[in-house]
Amino acid sequence: QVQLVESGGGSVKPGGSLRLSCAASGFRFRDSFMIWIRQAPGKGLEWISYITNSGSATYYADSVRGRISVSRDNAKDSLYLQINDLRADDTAVYYCARDLRGWAFAFESWGQGTLVTVSS
Amino acid sequence: QSALTQPPSASGSPGQSVTISCTGTSSDVGGYRYVSWYQQHPGEAPKLLIFEVTERPSGVPDRFSGSKSGNTASLTVSGLQPEDEADYYCSSYAGSNHLVFGGGTKLTVL
Repeated sequence: QVQLVESGGGSVKPGGSLRLSCAASGFRFRDSFMIWIRQAPGKGLEWISYITNSGSATYYADSVRGRISVSRDNAKDSLYLQINDLRADDTAVYYCARDLRGWAFAFESWGQGTLVTVSS
Repeated sequence: QSALTQPPSASGSPGQSVTISCTGTSSDVGGYRYVSWYQQHPGEAPKLLIFEVTERPSGVPDRFSGSKSGNTASLTVSGLQPEDEADYYCSSYAGSNHLVFGGGTKLTVL
C-alpha cells in the first residue's frame, strides 16, 4: 500500500527555517518523480517544487525560488524540503506527492500534509 | 505563471451533470496534454481524478470525464452524487518543468 507521511511542520517566526520530510513506503521510491505542493488556509493548491527520481534535477516555482531546496535520499525512501527566510505567506499545509510517472505531472498519491505556521 | 481560471462555485442536483471549466493560455492548457483534475474533500488531501486531459486512474468512476478545447479544459461530473460535493482543482504543465493550478471550484450538490 502506497503511503506518504510528511513531518517537520510547526510554528516558526518570520525569518526562520524549517526542514520538512516525507517518508515513502509501498512503492519503488527510487523510480518515482516527486513534488511538493502547498495550500494556504482556505486557499487553493500551489506547486512549489519538483524533483526527478534520481534527484539530479530539481525545479522550483518562481514564488519560492532562492528560499527553498528540495532533496531526496533514495536509500532512506525519503524526500525533503528546506525552507529558509520564512514569511507569513508561507503559512500553509505542505503536501508531498508522487507523479504517476516521470514527467506526467499528475499526482496519484499524496501524504496527509504537514502544517507550517509562520507568525511572530 | 498565472493561475488557471476556474469558476469559484458550481452546483447541481443529484443525478444531474455539472461541467467545471479551467481556462489558461497557449503556454499551458492550450499547449500541452498534461492537464489534470483533482477532488478535495474538507480536511483531506487532493485525489487525482483525471490526467492527460481525458484519462482516469484506476478506481475513479467513469462519471468523471475530462476534455479540452483550445485553452480551456473541462471536467464533467455526470450522475451527481452527494459525495461529489467537494473542491475541484485543475492543473496544467506550463513548460520549463513548471506546473500551474487553477484557483479551485467548490461543487455543491443541492
